[in-house]
Amino acid sequence: GQNIDQPTEMTATEGAIVQINCTYQTSGFNGLFWYQQHAGEAPTFLSYNVLDGLEEKGRFSSFLSRSKGYSYLLLKELQMKDSASYLCAVRGGNYQLIWGAGTKLIIKP
Amino acid sequence: GAVVSQHPSWVICKSGTSVKIECRSLDFQATTMFWYRQFPKQSLMLMATSNEGSKATYEQGVEKDKFLINHASLTLSTLTVTSAHPEDSSFYICSARDGDRGDHSPLHFGNGTRLTVT
Repeated sequence: GQNIDQPTEMTATEGAIVQINCTYQTSGFNGLFWYQQHAGEAPTFLSYNVLDGLEEKGRFSSFLSRSKGYSYLLLKELQMKDSASYLCAVRGGNYQLIWGAGTKLIIKP
Repeated sequence: GAVVSQHPSWVICKSGTSVKIECRSLDFQATTMFWYRQFPKQSLMLMATSNEGSKATYEQGVEKDKFLINHASLTLSTLTVTSAHPEDSSFYICSARDGDRGDHSPLHFGNGTRLTVT
């Protein structure tokens, strides 16, 4: 079967750094996406990785290792507004998106 | 770019009535749109894939006669929840991908519609 695993909830302190991990097992791979979703709102696109390595975009970075079926989203200089759920999604061999359950990130002052 | 507009943002309806939700791609053409449903504290669940000019593809367990999808143009897909019941209350979100940007372009989401059936 196909599945994506990410922690259910994480807590971090304002100004700190947090890493949210995502592991996946899919039939084929055509890219991995990270989305941010605030409560009651639709997801917004954060990052995309299709090749191994680190993609940096401001305070957010995303890493991919295809051989390990592993990705992480790194958030630096955390702000209170970063409190949200972070969704990992993998595009499988048939180009269908497979979604993780999301990681709820709680930022404390 | 790549803006997806969804309307209405929220709707309250009585049990047994039907509700139509519209999803528009504002600055790109979308041959394919996706309809998701999300219950509180749960992840996105794909309901169906809407294909312009042809029938939608429904995921297992989703009733096609209850959730009617029409994708009449390259910029508009509609989802109609027919004979709504309280258990249909959920957050419905549409999404689309700008196909002109290649297969690796991300999904862009509408703002979602919160449906409450009383």
